[in-house]
Amino acid sequence: DAKTTQPPSMDCAEGRAANLPCNHSTISGNEYVYWYRQIHSQGPQYIIHGLKNNETNEMASLIITEDRKSSTLILPHATLRDTAVYYCIVNAGGTSYGKLTFGQGTILTVHP
Amino acid sequence: DAGVIQSPRHEVTEMGQEVTLRCKPISGHNSLFWYRQTMMRGLELLIYFNNNVPIDDSGMPEDRFSAKMPNASFSTLKIQPSEPRDSAVYFCASSLFGGATNEQFFGPGTRLTVL
Repeated sequence: DAKTTQPPSMDCAEGRAANLPCNHSTISGNEYVYWYRQIHSQGPQYIIHGLKNNETNEMASLIITEDRKSSTLILPHATLRDTAVYYCIVNAGGTSYGKLTFGQGTILTVHP
Repeated sequence: DAGVIQSPRHEVTEMGQEVTLRCKPISGHNSLFWYRQTMMRGLELLIYFNNNVPIDDSGMPEDRFSAKMPNASFSTLKIQPSEPRDSAVYFCASSLFGGATNEQFFGPGTRLTVL
């Protein structure tokens, strides 16, 4: 699976949009981009994933560049409860059966 | 559904003792994953099963670790003998591989302390 690079930490004001970047320049054509987050002391939680089109669900939006070498997770109106570590993961599916390789992620702190 | 269930939630044991961690995946899921999380190494995949068969155990640290999945609703991770460096939070996750998202659902974790 391709390697991802994320900033170690970011801050965001409550109510503002949080934009979390991820570089995955070695991504292959069949690899998906997944985002998970981990709130302190809890297990990771799935947020969203995409292949090449932008995606939106009730939690967030995922913007993938046309060359697919980077993506941005957008939390449109961040709340204090969104403070967590956010992981960007590239996964090929197939015989990896959805295997996830977690990096260090981005610590997002939402402040009042 | 109750989600992924792990037991115990906390385990404190002494070096050399056998430790067994348990996991009940979400009903209907066909893939199960065991992870370990430490401050130093982050979240590491230890082993994963598909349809109760171990697919990749390359993340298992050494022979002291073993995992089984005797049926679709139960899995164990055993450490024998345990060592202080095994202290970590162990997460179990399950997913429906081939489903719409392949989303993994994580349990609450077992915090293991080996003295």
